[in-house]
Amino acid sequence: DSGVTQTPKHLITATGQRVTLRCSPRSGDLSVYWYQQSLDQGLQFLIQYYNGEERAKGNILERFSAQQFPDLHSELNLSSLELGDSALYFCASSPTRLDTEAFFGQGTRLTVV
Amino acid sequence: DQQVKQNSPSLSVQEGRISILNCDYTNSMFDYFLWYKKYPAEGPTFLISISSIKDKNEDGRFTVFLNKSAKHLSLHIVPSQPGDSAVYFCAASPHTDKLIFGTGTRLQVFP
Repeated sequence: DSGVTQTPKHLITATGQRVTLRCSPRSGDLSVYWYQQSLDQGLQFLIQYYNGEERAKGNILERFSAQQFPDLHSELNLSSLELGDSALYFCASSPTRLDTEAFFGQGTRLTVV
Repeated sequence: DQQVKQNSPSLSVQEGRISILNCDYTNSMFDYFLWYKKYPAEGPTFLISISSIKDKNEDGRFTVFLNKSAKHLSLHIVPSQPGDSAVYFCAASPHTDKLIFGTGTRLQVFP
């Protein structure tokens, strides 16, 4: 158990809909990262928050947004969903700004039908 | 443009033998490399890392080798055990920027 909790584990939704994925970081960790893993792809970095503020942005679509709350949990919002958004979404957390020290959650498997 | 490549999607090795997983990269600015292991229904877990100032790092049964001139790194697992069966991701970090992951190699260790 990495200490990073993601909910839900599985999500099935229709095209055009909006979903929210939730992440609780390890106790004491200030950074939260979001990654997307599509079929047969590596993990693609989406976005990082550090202590409530956006720290770095990767290949995140404009239809996607995230935030980190004062209690340090984070949510990733995916809207106007398309079939191609079906993927595993991982959250990771680290005590510092360094992703090389990150621990990953179990992931949320999103299926868009 | 895939900056970190794991060209073998899968590898099958007999228990007790050596497993060698390979990773190639294109960006000479990468200065830190990591291997992660992922079991089904779990997130990736950190396995071993190496800095670009080294060419080898060892941790128990796991050794990572870095060949900077060839832009190649490899993970050796000796001896391989059935519990090593998992997907292994190579990742590289350009200084001050985000990790870039390869597509993974599925290792199966059979008795």
